[in-house]
Amino acid sequence: DGGITQSPKYLFRKEGQNVTLSCEQNLNHDAMYWYRQDPGQGLRLIYYSQIVNDFQKGDIAEGYSVSREKKESFPLTVTSAQKNPTAFYLCASSIGQYGETQYFGPGTRLLVL
Amino acid sequence: QKEVEQNSGPLSVPEGAIASLNCTYSDRGSQSFFWYRQYSGKSPELIMFIYSNGDKEDGRFTAQLNKASQYVSLLIRDSQPSDSATYLCAVPNQAGTALIFGKGTTLSVSS
Repeated sequence: DGGITQSPKYLFRKEGQNVTLSCEQNLNHDAMYWYRQDPGQGLRLIYYSQIVNDFQKGDIAEGYSVSREKKESFPLTVTSAQKNPTAFYLCASSIGQYGETQYFGPGTRLLVL
Repeated sequence: QKEVEQNSGPLSVPEGAIASLNCTYSDRGSQSFFWYRQYSGKSPELIMFIYSNGDKEDGRFTAQLNKASQYVSLLIRDSQPSDSATYLCAVPNQAGTALIFGKGTTLSVSS
């Protein structure tokens, strides 16, 4: 079954803690993306990666970090510098490097304790 | 920076009616347009996309482009309660490397 998986479904973060959200795809897509969605808001781009070992900041990259060591994987770390991390985090992928049509994973909901 | 604007709604229609959702975009040079549906608590799923060369129909869904007024519409015929969701419009960014999303329009179809 091809698709995009994200884990965990829910994640709780304590003050001052870094947490990592997993995103894996077996669609052989080149590009991968991380978005953040707040209630009543659209999707805001955090980071994206067009190829392995390369990634670019999106509109709201501060307080986040990513890596792209494998084509299939694009983990997102929410660092302690992100002061308002509570949100719904969505990972997406697209076929080409200049991918337009994006397909989304099921999302991770991050809550602060 | 390109922008995408959508009326947040809610747009309420009775079952069987035509729902019309609009999305305006700021960059006259935009060439492709995407519609996603997002159920509450779930991730967005692609409904359809169109290019600037014409409208597109897929089952009960039709996407129409008005280049002169810079908006794209999504029409849903024979609306069903299961169509109740938030509909997101998106266009590629300037570099074509990512999508810019509107905030979405919430549609409510009553039976």
